[in-house]
Amino acid sequence: QKEVEQNSGPLSVPEGAIASLNCTYSDRGSQSFFWYRQYSGKSPELIMSIYSNGDKEDGRFTAQLNKASQYVSLLIRDSQPSDSATYLCAVNKVAGGYNKLIFGAGTRLAVHP
Amino acid sequence: EPEVTQTPSHQVTQMGQEVILRCVPISNHLYFYWYRQILGQKVEFLVSFYNNEISEKSEIFDDQFSVERPDGSNFTLKIRSTKLEDSAMYFCASSGSYTEAFFGQGTRLTVV
Repeated sequence: QKEVEQNSGPLSVPEGAIASLNCTYSDRGSQSFFWYRQYSGKSPELIMSIYSNGDKEDGRFTAQLNKASQYVSLLIRDSQPSDSATYLCAVNKVAGGYNKLIFGAGTRLAVHP
Repeated sequence: EPEVTQTPSHQVTQMGQEVILRCVPISNHLYFYWYRQILGQKVEFLVSFYNNEISEKSEIFDDQFSVERPDGSNFTLKIRSTKLEDSAMYFCASSGSYTEAFFGQGTRLTVV
């Protein structure tokens, strides 16, 4: 079982729609959850972090966490063509007292005008 | 805004040569990381570094690789005797504690 799983996509949505990106993780001890955006040829850029169950909103972005289901999602409202990128789910795994981020393979989002 | 900086942005090296990739993490951060991304593939964890020692490493991080924080600001990744399959983007990241990691712009390593 992969540690962090994402649907590779592409997820295609029209401009102005809601894009919904999903992620599951295997380690129940995971404590912190992040969404990064990566444009082609660029480095991952942090867009959201979430630490407790429920929803966290920041502008057009909402992260949702359900630790019982080991599930984290990202909603992008009013999607724009500039949101077209690969979205990486990352999970903090505590190992031996220290932490490391484990990334999913990413979901490619395409927002078309 | 503080940022992680990496040099060089692109490195071309011959197979079998040694390369050193350099990173300057955000100044008050405590945890430092190297990640690798082969073209078209996922971001892969290589190593984390805390309190001047390796705290975690992946199976990719074998004896060919080493990390160092030589002067309290730079954080380096050395790859000895590079192989063709080492060609990838290498990202340095840093974090303050058990929180978000911020990435540098990456070094594209091409082994020929």
